[in-house]
Amino acid sequence: KNQVEQSPQSLIILEGKNCTLQCNYTVSPFSNLRWYKQDTGRGPVSLTIMTFSENTKSNGRYTATLDADTKQSSLHITASQLSDSASYICVVSNYTGTASKLTFGTGTRLQVTL
Amino acid sequence: DSGVTQTPKHLITATGQRVTLRCSPRSGDLSVYWYQQSLDQGLQFLIQYYNGEERAKGNILERFSAQQFPDLHSELNLSSLELGDSALYFCASSVGVTVTDTQYFGPGTRLTVL
Repeated sequence: KNQVEQSPQSLIILEGKNCTLQCNYTVSPFSNLRWYKQDTGRGPVSLTIMTFSENTKSNGRYTATLDADTKQSSLHITASQLSDSASYICVVSNYTGTASKLTFGTGTRLQVTL
Repeated sequence: DSGVTQTPKHLITATGQRVTLRCSPRSGDLSVYWYQQSLDQGLQFLIQYYNGEERAKGNILERFSAQQFPDLHSELNLSSLELGDSALYFCASSVGVTVTDTQYFGPGTRLTVL
């Protein structure tokens, strides 16, 4: 069964600190992995996308890594800001030949405080 | 603003009733996806349409149905509503169905079943 597990479930950090969120998946066959940011009550917004051959991708203060051998990904947030408070969702895609099927993790809820 | 619009924003109804949620994709996007997000749960993929045709099906109940119209807007119909159907329903759109197509999410419709 395709699954995506994220850890930690929630995290509180001080503004300015760094943090790393984890994602382990068992989706097969693997097509790509995305990290989304979802503010409370709003739709997710794509941060990064990585295919099988990529092992790191940056978007500003967000850096995602991918280890396709161990089926693990991480999202590193540098110099956190209050606006980073949100849920971060790992999504793994497998392409069936006619459509992409997405498996969503349940997310890590990040709170950045003063 | 993702360019995806959903109406209504909020919907309150009673058990046993039927409701219709509407989604307009971004200009130029041919694929529409529907997701359900229950409280404190991850996004659950329901169904995908591409250019008017059903392309993929996820965990969609038989009481739920959807369609995509010639103008590419989509509607999700929920019938015989139960308390457990209370959730945020998101629509997303993408240009096509290839593995790297980014899905852009709408603001969601919050459904409350009393």
